[in-house]
Amino acid sequence: AQTVTQSQPEMSVQEAETVTLSCTYDTSESDYYLFWYKQPPSRQMILVIRQEAYKQQNATENRFSVNFQKAAKSFSLKISDSQLGDAAMYFCAYRTKSNTGNQFYFGTGTSLTVIP
Amino acid sequence: GAVVSQHPSRVICKSGTSVKIECRSLDFQATTMFWYRQFPKKSLMLMATSNEGSKATYEQGVEKDKFLINHASLTLSTLTVTSAHPEDSSFYICSAGQGLWNSPLHFGNGTRLTVT
Repeated sequence: AQTVTQSQPEMSVQEAETVTLSCTYDTSESDYYLFWYKQPPSRQMILVIRQEAYKQQNATENRFSVNFQKAAKSFSLKISDSQLGDAAMYFCAYRTKSNTGNQFYFGTGTSLTVIP
Repeated sequence: GAVVSQHPSRVICKSGTSVKIECRSLDFQATTMFWYRQFPKKSLMLMATSNEGSKATYEQGVEKDKFLINHASLTLSTLTVTSAHPEDSSFYICSAGQGLWNSPLHFGNGTRLTVT
């Protein structure tokens, strides 16, 4: 089974600075999808960014970008110009393309604090 | 964008009673919906996969007789916690995808269940 690891339970960043959240995963598949979700105190899960495994180009969404290293099975999230509203739990997720399942695998999460 | 509505957002019930939580995809059809349970400051734990028109697939360790799932239409899945006990108190989140393997999950707002 696929596993997703987020080794940083908590991170903090100064407002306007840049922070990188790490994520690694274990899989034997070649095609899959990776996602970062944000869960603010409201508990609503919000999609931040996604990356297709067969695309070498790193995905970017405004201030959010990823560093996807397929060989290393690493998928880190970089938040630039951090804002107070970025404070949340961040979950890395892996989606299998396997026909036997349609499941997402979530990491344990990283709690991000933004310091004014 | 795709919207998933979950109701109720909060519910308090007495031990021994049953509680039904609804999950609706508002602007797309979802043949598959997922039910997660989340403990405080923890990741999402997949409980079961709800399949429209067929039986749900439960994860190991989840009691299917206690957590009844019905997916009677392409836009509605329900989770019923039967004979609730205080240890069932938790945050329950549903999600749905749009069928494509590379589409993200869209999440409901979650339900905070408190069993007294």
